[in-house]
Amino acid sequence: EAQVTQNPRYLITVTGKKLTVTCSQNMNHEYMSWYRQDPGLGLRQIYYSMNVEVTDKGDVPEGYKVSRKEKRNFPLILESPSPNQTSLYFCASRAGGGLRQYFGPGTRLTVT
Amino acid sequence: AQSVTQLDSQVPVFEEAPVELRCNYSSSVSVYLFWYVQYPNQGLQLLLKYLSGSTLVESINGFEAEFNKSQTSFHLRKPSVHISDTAEYFCAVSDSGYSTLTFGKGTMLLVSP
Repeated sequence: EAQVTQNPRYLITVTGKKLTVTCSQNMNHEYMSWYRQDPGLGLRQIYYSMNVEVTDKGDVPEGYKVSRKEKRNFPLILESPSPNQTSLYFCASRAGGGLRQYFGPGTRLTVT
Repeated sequence: AQSVTQLDSQVPVFEEAPVELRCNYSSSVSVYLFWYVQYPNQGLQLLLKYLSGSTLVESINGFEAEFNKSQTSFHLRKPSVHISDTAEYFCAVSDSGYSTLTFGKGTMLLVSP
């Protein structure tokens, strides 16, 4: 089954404790993205990657890092999480020439 | 730069009533337009998209959207809603190079009996 998976689905952590949210897709898609969803703000793109070792900032990249060492994986790293990063995070992927994005189930992060 | 405005944050309707969810966009270049739906506690799913050609596009579950270039709009409509249509709906725009996808803030459709 074609899918995008994220782990963990729920995470509660404390300020300053480094964390990684993993994202994996099994569709051999070139393009992957991370979004955060906040009430009243919709989805905002954090980072995206057009292929292995090619990443670029989205609209709200501050406080986040990403890497794309393999085509299927695109982890999101928070080196020093802060409470304003409490949010619902979505990973998405699409084929290089495709227009439809496939979204993961989301990761709900709470930073206290 | 492009932007999307969804004018209503919430739209309450009764079952079997018609509904229109409004979306306006701004862009200096040709665009692709999308509607995504998010059911409670789930990720987003593509509902329908406009790329080119006919300005009226339809989804498999009865929704339709019409691209209006002069009004820079892409409103979503359904003639008769069901309880199961309760969800949040996001309009999104991309330039024709599809380098980034910009979402609106979402409209919560609340269908009651």
